[in-house]
Amino acid sequence: QQQVKQSPQSLIVQKGGISIINCAYENTAFDYFPWYQQFPGKGPALLIAIRPDVSEKKEGRFTISFNKSAKQFSLHIMDSQPGDSATYFCAAWSNDYKLSFGAGTTVTVRA
Amino acid sequence: ETGVTQTPRHLVMGMTNKKSLKCEQHLGHNAMYWYKQSAKKPLELMFVYNFKEQTENNSVPSRFSPECPNSSHLFLHLHTLQPEDSALYLCASSQFPLRGNEQFFGPGTRLTVL
Repeated sequence: QQQVKQSPQSLIVQKGGISIINCAYENTAFDYFPWYQQFPGKGPALLIAIRPDVSEKKEGRFTISFNKSAKQFSLHIMDSQPGDSATYFCAAWSNDYKLSFGAGTTVTVRA
Repeated sequence: ETGVTQTPRHLVMGMTNKKSLKCEQHLGHNAMYWYKQSAKKPLELMFVYNFKEQTENNSVPSRFSPECPNSSHLFLHLHTLQPEDSALYLCASSQFPLRGNEQFFGPGTRLTVL
């Protein structure tokens, strides 16, 4: 059973545009939500993370929006650049120390 | 570099072969993980070691056998694999039990089973 559902599977955005990736979960034991970025030939690397008592977190051009009541969270990439082309995974930590990942979104930024 | 290295980076093996994947972390962490990454699917956690003790085995077939001789090294021994086992195998490490602490991933071993 997939615990974290991620969409879309892929997206294409023009340089300077906004990329939006959405994730949803059901498990109320989840209490910390990281996003990972993976470039071809590399392992995933932590990009940004949020706790459920915060509705938004911004780091540079990357913003997480969190809706606890809806059990949804999203990643916004503002002013998308070709170097942002990668696969993005949302994830969720549960209170029994398990990390569950979404299926990933491949973002392609066209110059 | 993330401080987690994996060898080999690519491996092609027949169904009757025996091979091993190696992972080494230089971060002083006490927990190490094996994940399987298949296209368009979530990362699948296979094994977890905390302080060299296996604490998680997510119903992984016995043809995959992990070994953790110390907190810096992790191996995945492979034998009589199936073509559907072809995937990217990722190793990660973190500091346990700080939940939410970042997992640092290696670059992975791309495994092809013929």
